[in-house]
Amino acid sequence: NAGVMQNPRHLVRRRGQEARLRCSPMKGHSHVYWYRQLPEEGLKFMVYLQKENIIDESGMPKERFSAEFPKEGPSILRIQQVVRGDSAAYFCASSWAKNTEAFFGQGTRLTVV
Amino acid sequence: DQQVKQNSPSLSVQEGRISILNCDYTNSMFDYFLWYKKYPAEGPTFLISISSIKDKNEDGRFTVFLNKSAKHLSLHIVPSQPGDSAVYFCAASGTSNTGNQFYFGTGTSLTVIP
Repeated sequence: NAGVMQNPRHLVRRRGQEARLRCSPMKGHSHVYWYRQLPEEGLKFMVYLQKENIIDESGMPKERFSAEFPKEGPSILRIQQVVRGDSAAYFCASSWAKNTEAFFGQGTRLTVV
Repeated sequence: DQQVKQNSPSLSVQEGRISILNCDYTNSMFDYFLWYKKYPAEGPTFLISISSIKDKNEDGRFTVFLNKSAKHLSLHIVPSQPGDSAVYFCAASGTSNTGNQFYFGTGTSLTVIP
């Protein structure tokens, strides 16, 4: 009964490179949320997806960030041309339905050097 | 626009005593509330939830109280244990007109002193 799995746990990228963060939701969960936590701040919503559909991306920066949740495979958060300000902990959560408890993964800590 | 607020950044409590963590929200359309605990370098762990049809939900040492008229909820931990030392986040969501996300507070860092 694996929980939400995120990989990698730590990711170092140079400025201008691409970062790909993966999230496998809990078994039976079709709702995925991505959150970002900057140092000394709370969790900020980025995007909410159901299988193959982006439902709400109101928290995503307009440029360089994209997310997908394909029919098969994990959800991917992609950050193109990373900058230092992208350094943060990125958390994925999943739930079996909207407005039910969401379970979080361990997070991916992105460091841009 | 912070729709969920935790106004106490930190709280210290003696082991064995009660810890009370508070949370306020502004959106009257929120109808589902959750508490999470987070240790450093780990993801948030779900603790307990409450829907707006209730005013209290209890699970072991953890009890959440909801006061809808005051738009306020609180988490009580009794008795507090050193292992409870962590950052606690409250979160809220709604079924309509509130968007599709869980709105999180900024967290309260609880320290339980042995």
